Amino acid sequence: NAGVTQTPKFQVLKTGQSMTLQCAQDMNHEYMSWYRQDPGMGLRLIHYSVGAGITDQGEVPNGYNVSRSTTEDFPLRLLSAAPSQTSVYFCASRPGHGSDYEQYFGPGTRLTVT
Amino acid sequence: GNSVTQMEGPVTLSEEAFLTINCTYTATGYPSLFWYVQYPGEGLQLLLKATKADDKGSNKGFEATYRKETTSFHLEKGSVQVSDSAVYFCALRSGAGNMLTFGGGTRLMVKP
Repeated sequence: NAGVTQTPKFQVLKTGQSMTLQCAQDMNHEYMSWYRQDPGMGLRLIHYSVGAGITDQGEVPNGYNVSRSTTEDFPLRLLSAAPSQTSVYFCASRPGHGSDYEQYFGPGTRLTVT
Repeated sequence: GNSVTQMEGPVTLSEEAFLTINCTYTATGYPSLFWYVQYPGEGLQLLLKATKADDKGSNKGFEATYRKETTSFHLEKGSVQVSDSAVYFCALRSGAGNMLTFGGGTRLMVKP
């Protein structure tokens, strides 16, 4: 198993540009989520999905869109990038709702918006 | 809402010193508690967890006990190594979707 994969690893955007951060998992996990990591603030939840076709907002959803058309993929879209979106983005997945389920993280995408 | 507070770093220790990283939380219901570790340039890895009060999670010499009365989950290790240098995150899982809420992270630097 490759686990949770993310592409690209690094990206530089200009303000106003759009892009999609890709996330895929090959573990048949129901739950997937996106976090952003900023210094001193830990990881904050952007959006999550509890299954194909179902998404919901997390703590900091503004400026981001998601969709979940398949179990495997959970892309994160920035429609009009802003400097405040400069961050490291992590995708994560886990099998289901239960508290015993471990959450697996991807390696991250470092995004800079100029 | 849910929140996690952990001590700010960096924490700098000499090899074989005793480590404590404090973590306290606020949550509705009965959260599960976690410590994650992030090594330089990598994603987060689960270090240990506890799912109910008085449970002790342990892994790789690290321990943490779920204290409901003090809403705490402090991370301890008796003798740190240089290879333990990393950022440590305390987290809880509760609420809608049972998603993780993280503390701000504590950077640990261990010197030989």
